[in-house]
Amino acid sequence: QKEVEQDPGPLSVPEGAIVSLNCTYSNSAFQYFMWYRQYSRKGPELLMYTYSSGNKEDGRFTAQVDKSSKYISLFIRDSQPSDSATYLCAMSMYSGGGADGLTFGKGTHLIIQP
Amino acid sequence: DAGITQSPRHKVTETGTPVTLRCHQTENHRYMYWYRQDPGHGLRLIHYSYGVKDTDKGEVSDGYSVSRSKTEDFLLTLESATSSQTSVYFCAISENGGRAGGTGELFFGEGSRLTVL
Repeated sequence: QKEVEQDPGPLSVPEGAIVSLNCTYSNSAFQYFMWYRQYSRKGPELLMYTYSSGNKEDGRFTAQVDKSSKYISLFIRDSQPSDSATYLCAMSMYSGGGADGLTFGKGTHLIIQP
Repeated sequence: DAGITQSPRHKVTETGTPVTLRCHQTENHRYMYWYRQDPGHGLRLIHYSYGVKDTDKGEVSDGYSVSRSKTEDFLLTLESATSSQTSVYFCAISENGGRAGGTGELFFGEGSRLTVL
């Protein structure tokens, strides 16, 4: 069993829809959870960073962590064609950032249809 | 945008030839990383550096070596390239790493696409 599982998609939704992206994980020691967004032929960029269970909101984006179920989600409200990208979840046991103990999901390719 | 420059951005080479990819940063960040990204595998850490001349192996280090003689430069070398090393290579940097404390953010370069024939 992989430490982090993420459906690769593609996930195609119409503009304006609410998008739900998810990851499951097996290592209960993960405490820090991140979502990176990667546009085609670009490097990933950090979108959201959360600690432990709960929700965090930033504009149209909400990150949700349920440690009891080992399940994290990213919701995008009022989705726009510019949101079309690959979304990678990442998680770590450590607060320090960097790549020490950082595990990435394989990414979900999201397409927002105009 | 974080000041990270990767070179070359595209390279085609033949099996058995040596290849060096360069990552240059202008942020003075201590930590630098090399990842490869492949369909079905996602991002995998090859090597990383936590200071000048201080490097360590990542998840998929076999067939790769690195060097860091200056804070701003991190080189990835494939001594004898193989077709399995065809991939997109990303350099990343971070201000802190591991348990040192920080925001948890990696800044990535734009990638170097390597094809080994």
